Amino acid sequence: QKEVEQNSGPLSVPEGAIASLNCTYSDRGSQSFFWYRQYSGKSPELIMSIYSNGDKEDGRFTAQLNKASQYVSLLIRDSQPSDSATYLCAVKESSYKLIFGSGTRLLVRP
Amino acid sequence: DGGITQSPKYLFRKEGQNVTLSCEQNLNHDAMYWYRQDPGQGLRLIYYSQIVNDFQKGDIAEGYSVSREKKESFPLTVTSAQKNPTAFYLCASSIGEGTEAFFGQGTRLTVV
Repeated sequence: QKEVEQNSGPLSVPEGAIASLNCTYSDRGSQSFFWYRQYSGKSPELIMSIYSNGDKEDGRFTAQLNKASQYVSLLIRDSQPSDSATYLCAVKESSYKLIFGSGTRLLVRP
Repeated sequence: DGGITQSPKYLFRKEGQNVTLSCEQNLNHDAMYWYRQDPGQGLRLIYYSQIVNDFQKGDIAEGYSVSREKKESFPLTVTSAQKNPTAFYLCASSIGEGTEAFFGQGTRLTVV
């Protein structure tokens, strides 16, 4: 059983739309959750971190966490073609062990 | 400039050889990580270290070894026991417990 699950996609949305990316995790004791963006051939870059239940907004990005359902999501408003990338969900299962999902590829159509 | 430096960017290895990938950080971060990424896949954890002189195996440690003699450095050796080493290797670091990790630029290893 995979520890962090993501739909591989691709998720295709038109420019200006809201993109919704989802992630589930198996370790109920996890306390720290992160979203990274990775362009092809490059290393991942951190977009958002979230530690408590609810929503956290940063510009066009909103992370949502529901620990009871073991679910974390990322919403991208007003999607742009430059947002086309793979989005990786990451979970710190113990205080230090950081585990990644396999990523969701997002395509934003002009 | 503060950051995480991986070298080399590209590395070619003959079958049966050991190779060492370098990872250095000047962010004063306690924790460091090594991940492997295969084409079209996510990141798989090889080893991680919370403090100097201590490290733990990740999910795919077989065929790899690490050391953490200095806080700034966490080199990864890919041994001849690793049967399929061709991949993109990523090093990351974080300040400490529960915090976000930041990545170096990666090393692309190819077996020839």
